[in-house]
Amino acid sequence: QVQLQESGPGLVNPSETLSLTCTVSSGSITSFYWTWVRQPPGKGLEWLGYIYYTGSTTYNRSLKSRLSISVDTSKNQFSLRLSSVTAADTAVYYCARIRSVTTNWSFDLWGRGTLVTVSS
Amino acid sequence: DVQMTQSPFSLSASVGDRVTITCRASQKIDNFLNWYQHQPGKAPKLLIYAASTLQSGVPSRFSATDSETDFTLTISSLLPEDFATYYCQQTYSTPYTFGQGTKLEIK
Repeated sequence: QVQLQESGPGLVNPSETLSLTCTVSSGSITSFYWTWVRQPPGKGLEWLGYIYYTGSTTYNRSLKSRLSISVDTSKNQFSLRLSSVTAADTAVYYCARIRSVTTNWSFDLWGRGTLVTVSS
Repeated sequence: DVQMTQSPFSLSASVGDRVTITCRASQKIDNFLNWYQHQPGKAPKLLIYAASTLQSGVPSRFSATDSETDFTLTISSLLPEDFATYYCQQTYSTPYTFGQGTKLEIK
């Protein structure tokens, strides 16, 4: 059964870069789109962006200038980098798989999430 | 951006109750609407995709209906494991957006 696991620092200094990795286990990262979603404390879910296993990306334009998503098929991982972070970037970050049924997309598998706090 | 408005924000119900959650899109999104269940500390779980199709493995007490902009999720008879927060999501256009969530609590 395919599983996703987020990893990375739980604490990041303001103005620095937040980096997270999602490891896909018991399945291949190829032939799928992969995505990041976050949830600030006490708030709802925010979609950040997605990547195809070929490296093609689409970002939420609210973050586009700061966000980068990459993929490493040799490691079965994809990663998120968010630069110039502030306290507003404090959130639980989730990685997920995108499943396409005809043209209908949904996020069918998720990681359990990792809390990242931006604070000095 | 497509705005998704869920109601109610919270809901108190008992085991065995029938509950309905509503999601309204700010524009027509066809059937590009998904529903998720999220329990604290767990991975969110896909319940319904394409507005009304039950995800494999999801119990049949969950169902959903759609129109062009108004969508509903119904749980026919609540079990203890159903108390969670539910989110709708549109994937009609980027940025994909979620509703604010409906927290379903035990009465």
